[in-house]
Amino acid sequence: EAQVTQNPRYLITVTGKKLTVTCSQNMNHEYMSWYRQDPGLGLRQIYYSMNVEVTDKGDVPEGYKVSRKEKRNFPLILESPSPNQTSLYFCASSHTDQETQYFGPGTRLLVL
Amino acid sequence: GDSVTQMEGPVTLSEEAFLTINCTYTATGYPSLFWYVQYPGEGLQLLLKATKADDKGSNKGFEATYRKETTSFHLEKGSVQVSDSAVYFCALSDNNTDKLIFGTGTRLQVFP
Repeated sequence: EAQVTQNPRYLITVTGKKLTVTCSQNMNHEYMSWYRQDPGLGLRQIYYSMNVEVTDKGDVPEGYKVSRKEKRNFPLILESPSPNQTSLYFCASSHTDQETQYFGPGTRLLVL
Repeated sequence: GDSVTQMEGPVTLSEEAFLTINCTYTATGYPSLFWYVQYPGEGLQLLLKATKADDKGSNKGFEATYRKETTSFHLEKGSVQVSDSAVYFCALSDNNTDKLIFGTGTRLQVFP
């Protein structure tokens, strides 16, 4: 089954404790992206990747890192999480940046 | 920059009622337009899209027409069902940056 998977689905952590949210897709997509969803703000793009070893900042990259060492994986790293990063995070992928994006199920993060 | 504006929700309807969710956009050039739907506890999935002026996207009884003269892409359905209860996001694909820009989302609640 074609899908985008994210782990964990739910995470509670404390300020400053590094964490990684994994994202994996099995559709051989080149383009992958991370979004955060906040009430009243819709989805905002954090980082995206056009292909392996090619990443770029989205609209709200501060406090986040990404890497794209393999085509299927695009982890999101929070080196020192802060409470304002409490949000719902979605990973998405597509063949190109112009095509329909397929979304993962989301990761709900609470930073205390 | 490019932007998308959606009507605020929630929209509350009885089953079999007619649905309209308004969406207008601001963009340079000719973006592609999308409606994504997010069911409770899930990620976003593409509902329909239109890539040029006067195109009509349709899926699952939902329709939206790309109106360049009014810069709109309103979502309509003739008879909603309880299972249509979800959050609906209007989005455009920015031709300059190739990014997907989302509206803030509109929650639809359908009661039997």
